[in-house]
Amino acid sequence: KAGVTQTPRYLIKTRGQQVTLSCSPISGHRSVSWYQQTPGQGLQFLFEYFSETQRNKGNFPGRFSGRQFSNSRSEMNVSTLELGDSALYLCASSLGGQTGELFFGEGSRLTVL
Amino acid sequence: TQLLEQSPQFLSIQEGENLTVYCNSSSVFSSLQWYRQEPGEGPVLLVTVVTGGEVKKLKRLTFQFGDARKDSSLHITAAQPGDTGLYLCAVPLGAGGTSYGKLTFGQGTILTVHP
Repeated sequence: KAGVTQTPRYLIKTRGQQVTLSCSPISGHRSVSWYQQTPGQGLQFLFEYFSETQRNKGNFPGRFSGRQFSNSRSEMNVSTLELGDSALYLCASSLGGQTGELFFGEGSRLTVL
Repeated sequence: TQLLEQSPQFLSIQEGENLTVYCNSSSVFSSLQWYRQEPGEGPVLLVTVVTGGEVKKLKRLTFQFGDARKDSSLHITAAQPGDTGLYLCAVPLGAGGTSYGKLTFGQGTILTVHP
């Protein structure tokens, strides 16, 4: 069974630009979550989508947005990039069960200059 | 204040040693998960504990959920260099214990096992 696939793996942007990251979940998983990981803040929840609907959202500014397509693939977008947005962005998929076990991709490493 | 306090933050040991990593909180949880993350990779789920006092074993790793479901520990016996990584505990936060993809993570323990 193929795992969670994230693209691109690495990218460099400059302040003010915008970026779109893509995530393909494990086949059969309808829930996709996004996390930001930084050395200072650790892993922080951005949002979760299930059947194309955002069910849950973390405490991030509106510059961070996402969507999910009918095939469960998901994208997240960050507009007007700031230096502090440099991070590893992780996508995770799940069946959405009671214990919420997540299967993570390898992440997209974003560097903002 | 972190919801989940992990200790120690850093652990550097020699191959063959035993170690214990702790995940503590003042809150009660319906379940708790442990993940391991290697450099350049995403976290990988190791175990989920659900019942207070529960003990689960995964080869040389032993996980325990506290009786009151407020804390957990991870014990590694005879550590190997392949155990090197970031160990994270996480809990689902949501109505009725369902997370809807939202886990709250501890800051993690960085374990380095030297050959």
